[in-house]
Formats: sequence, structure tokens, C-alpha cells
Amino acid sequence: SQQGEEDPQALSIQEGENATMNCSYKTSINNLQWYRQNSGRGLVHLILIRSNEREKHSGRLRVTLDTSKKSSSLLITASRAADTASYFCAPLGGGSNYKLTFGKGTLLTVNP
Amino acid sequence: ETGVTQTPRHLVMGMTNKKSLKCEQHLGHNAMYWYKQSAKKPLELMFVYNFKEQTENNSVPSRFSPECPNSSHLFLHLHTLQPEDSALYLCASSQRRPTEQYFGPGTRLTVT
Repeated sequence: SQQGEEDPQALSIQEGENATMNCSYKTSINNLQWYRQNSGRGLVHLILIRSNEREKHSGRLRVTLDTSKKSSSLLITASRAADTASYFCAPLGGGSNYKLTFGKGTLLTVNP
Repeated sequence: ETGVTQTPRHLVMGMTNKKSLKCEQHLGHNAMYWYKQSAKKPLELMFVYNFKEQTENNSVPSRFSPECPNSSHLFLHLHTLQPEDSALYLCASSQRRPTEQYFGPGTRLTVT
């Protein structure tokens, strides 16, 4: 299965701290995407990193990709209470297999 | 979230009812998706439409029947559902298959 597996399953930090979430996957990818979901609502796309990229930034987000280890990480710097949500990594299959699969996510709680 | 809308937002139906979920995207995208999100389970891809043609049916029971009359609209017709079909149903769209997906707010379905 191409499904991404996030680690840890849950993370609780204080406002202002950095949060790091990791993702592992099993086969070749076209790209890897990170999404955020607030409780009971739709997912919001955060960032897409292509298989030939190693690092990407967007505001307070930093994503890394290591295709040799089949892993990715999402770093949120200077976290805010509003960052409280579930975060999902979604590898998109390589070749013509454009299936985006999601894991169970990391539940991030940022305490004020 | 306003780029992809879903109606209704909440739906309660009996096992013998027939109902439909509607999704509309205002982003000019060419691909549309239905996902199912059950408690404690990863987001599951159900159907994919690319340029109005169904390109993927992820072994979904026939009591779920999708319809895509044009690139902007996607329906999910429901009949004789089971209580285990209760879940959050999410619609998404993307410009092309490998690009980031934009999700609607979801329909919370309860089957009684």
C-alpha cells in the first residue's frame, strides 16, 4: 500500500514551540502532499513536494523529503493555538498511479 | 473552502431511504473525487472522475452510485444504506490528477 503513515499519532506542545511530524511510505511516488483537518471539517492542502525536491518552505511550514528513506517531515515553527488540527501526509503514487492515499494522521494540540 | 461546496452538510436517513449528496467546484478543475472518512479509520478514496469520466471505483458497494454530469458537479446517490455507512463524506477536486486537491466541508451522514 502507498498509504502514508504519520508519526507520532498525537503531539501536544505549548504555543510558540515548534512541532515536527514525520511520515513514511512504501513505494515510489510522484509527489507527497501534506494536509490539515480541523475537527469534523474538510481537509486543507498545505504543501506539495515533488519527488525530485528535498526541501520546501511555505510561511511557517517546512517540509523535507528523503526518497532514499521513503520519508518526509513537516515542521511548524512558532506554533499557535490555531494550528491545533490533524495533519496528514499523502503520497501520490508514481508512474500513472495517481492515487492519493492518507494515513490516520497526527493530532496536534497547541496549548495557549 | 468556498472553492468546493457540498450539500447537505448534515443528513440523517433510514436504511430504506434514497438520498443524494451534491458537490460543486468553482475552481475550473478537471478531476473530482469522493472520499469516506469514518471514525478511527484513514480517509478512504471511493471514486475518481477525470474530465467527467469515472477512472476509479475503489471497490465501493453498489448502494453508492456516483454521477458526474459535467466537470463542475459531482453527485453521490445513496440507497439502502447500512448503519456502518455513517461517516463524513468528502468531495475534492484538482486541476489534474497529480496536483493538490481542494476539499469541500463534507456531509456528515448518519444512517439509522
